[in-house]
Order: sequence, then C-alpha cells, then structure tokens
Amino acid sequence: AIQMTQSPSSLSASVGDRVTITCRASQGIRNDLGWYQQKPGKAPKVLIYDASSLQSGVPSRFSGSRSGADFTLTINSLQPEDSATYYCLQDYDYPWTFGQGTKVEV
Amino acid sequence: EVQLMQSGAVVKKPGESLKISCKASGYTFNNHWIGWVRQMPGKGLEWMGIVYPRDSYSIYSPSFQGQVTLSADKSNSTAYLQWSSLKPSDSAMYYCARVEVATVESWYFDLWGRGTLITVSS
Repeated sequence: AIQMTQSPSSLSASVGDRVTITCRASQGIRNDLGWYQQKPGKAPKVLIYDASSLQSGVPSRFSGSRSGADFTLTINSLQPEDSATYYCLQDYDYPWTFGQGTKVEV
Repeated sequence: EVQLMQSGAVVKKPGESLKISCKASGYTFNNHWIGWVRQMPGKGLEWMGIVYPRDSYSIYSPSFQGQVTLSADKSNSTAYLQWSSLKPSDSAMYYCARVEVATVESWYFDLWGRGTLITVSS
C-alpha cells in the first residue's frame, strides 16, 4: 500500500499566521490527493481535491500544491475556526490511504 | 437536501453480528460510489473500502478484507457495513462518505455522514 507521511503531527500558530502541512507519498501518485479537515466530534470535510482544486464553499485562504511526491496544504491568514485536525488522502491506488493527521491549534 | 444519514450508536457483545446503514438522499444514489472510514478512539482516519450501489461491487482495504462486508440496496438508497462476529477492537466511529469523481483519475469524498459509534464490550 502507498504510505502517506504527514508532517508535522501538530502545530500551534496565531491568528493571521500562514501555516503549511506536508504529505509525502511513498511513490508517485500524480495529483490524486485530497485534504480534509476534521473538527472534534465532527465528520471530516473536504477542503482540496486533485492536489490543488478548492472544494466549493471552502474559504480561499486554503490552498494545495504539489512538488513531485510532496504535497502541501497552506492556510493563509489563519482563523480561530481553523483549529482542527487535517488529513491528506491519496486516491491514486487501492487501498486509498490517509496521512497520520496534523492537529492545528490556533 | 443532499445528505447521508447514518444509523444510530450501538453497543454490542463480542461475537455478535451487526449491520449499520447509510441512507442517501437528495441525489441519484446509483451514480456515486460510497466509502467507509474507521476512526478508533483518539486516532486517525482509516479507509476501509468502497461499494458501487448499482451492483454492490466492492473494493476493500486488505486491512479489512474478510473482516467486514460492504453492500448497497438501490431500492432504498442505502449502503451497509456489516460484521458477522464483532471483536472489542471493532469499537470505533464509522463514517460513510460519497465519492465524487473530479476527473477520470481523481476521486474524493465530497459528502460525509455524521458517523455511527460502535462499542463492543462484554
């Protein structure tokens, strides 16, 4: 199975900061990666699909990019409501695999 | 309203069987795969598999193959996840999610249920 190595496991940042979260795939996965946000006690919610496409209704401060097998989620101008755990998910091959998650504290 | 409605929390004993449901509404059920995701207490997300509603064709993660069965009933727009013999280690939150196909190669979960909490304890 494709391994998704996500970093950091947690971070703390202030309102207005820019934060980046990275997922590295154990092999090439084209752009077949999404980013999900999960708040405590809630179901996950998709933010980004196809590595860099913003899901409808998601604030534009969220963005995704790819450099080879490395994928980055960037949150510009961090807001209090962005406190959550973020996961990447590759859909290039079965089984789809999630990263370990990054807990963001604002 | 487009939504996935999951069945309620359940407490079961080891060895018992269980089938939980995920009812779709507001869209054409047959047109989208449904996936299942496990989240053990305090842990991350695990992809279990996906099922195609038209014929219940399923793709499983090796971690869950043989441990659970995915199925779907087109007549009532409902997907199911079932166990034949539960273990305490099956205690977790289980989410169903709809697969959206952005491109031929790019799929993702665009709609999620609220989750079903399963507790297995003697």
